Amino acid sequence: QLVLTQSPSASASLGASVKLTCTLSSGHSSYAIAWHQQQPEKGPRYLMKLNSDGSHSKGDGIPDRFSGSSSGAERYLTISSLQSEDEADYYCQTWGTGIGGVFGGGTKLTVL
Amino acid sequence: QVQLVESGGGLVKPGGSLRLSCAASGFTFSDYYMSWIRQAPGKGLEWVSYISSSGSTIYYADSVKGRFTISRDNAKNSLYLQMNSLRAEDTAVYYCARDYGSGSYYNYWGQGTLVTVSS
Repeated sequence: QLVLTQSPSASASLGASVKLTCTLSSGHSSYAIAWHQQQPEKGPRYLMKLNSDGSHSKGDGIPDRFSGSSSGAERYLTISSLQSEDEADYYCQTWGTGIGGVFGGGTKLTVL
Repeated sequence: QVQLVESGGGLVKPGGSLRLSCAASGFTFSDYYMSWIRQAPGKGLEWVSYISSSGSTIYYADSVKGRFTISRDNAKNSLYLQMNSLRAEDTAVYYCARDYGSGSYYNYWGQGTLVTVSS
């Protein structure tokens, strides 16, 4: 079964960097994912698609501070030079034929 | 620029029906798969349904199969979700989203419309 696992919470200081992790279930380590950001009281916003080889393509207007990388079944979102507006929920998402979108449980990022 | 604007949410009693709409602009609507995704209060995102660009391919999450119907009108650049036999657990903000490819990831999202199922 295709499942994505995320830590429920993370925190980092203003101006620092943070690395969020999304883990694909066993047997699915070759899958690409997408990262989405959801600021408080807003709809989600697409950040990037991230492939198993670490290559990624970002959405319109996404700053260079956001980057992605991969290792095995793990997919990472790194945010550098953290700003207050980066405080948000971050969801990873993958997909399969006939099963639609599969979301991780989300990580709530607090900027200290 | 791409815009997706949902409407049609509101308060409905258990067992009732509601029809959501999503008005699309800024892109060639008929070229893209579209999806509905929902988010219960304080919870994460849950995929509900997707429809192919022509409308010929449709999938539903098990939680809504048999109760919800997705459709589209490419002439009106609009996506719809007919929701019947609504339950309390259907209470959520419903988002429409544009698929990048054939039922893949979502690269544009609407702002959502709230559906509350309560007596």
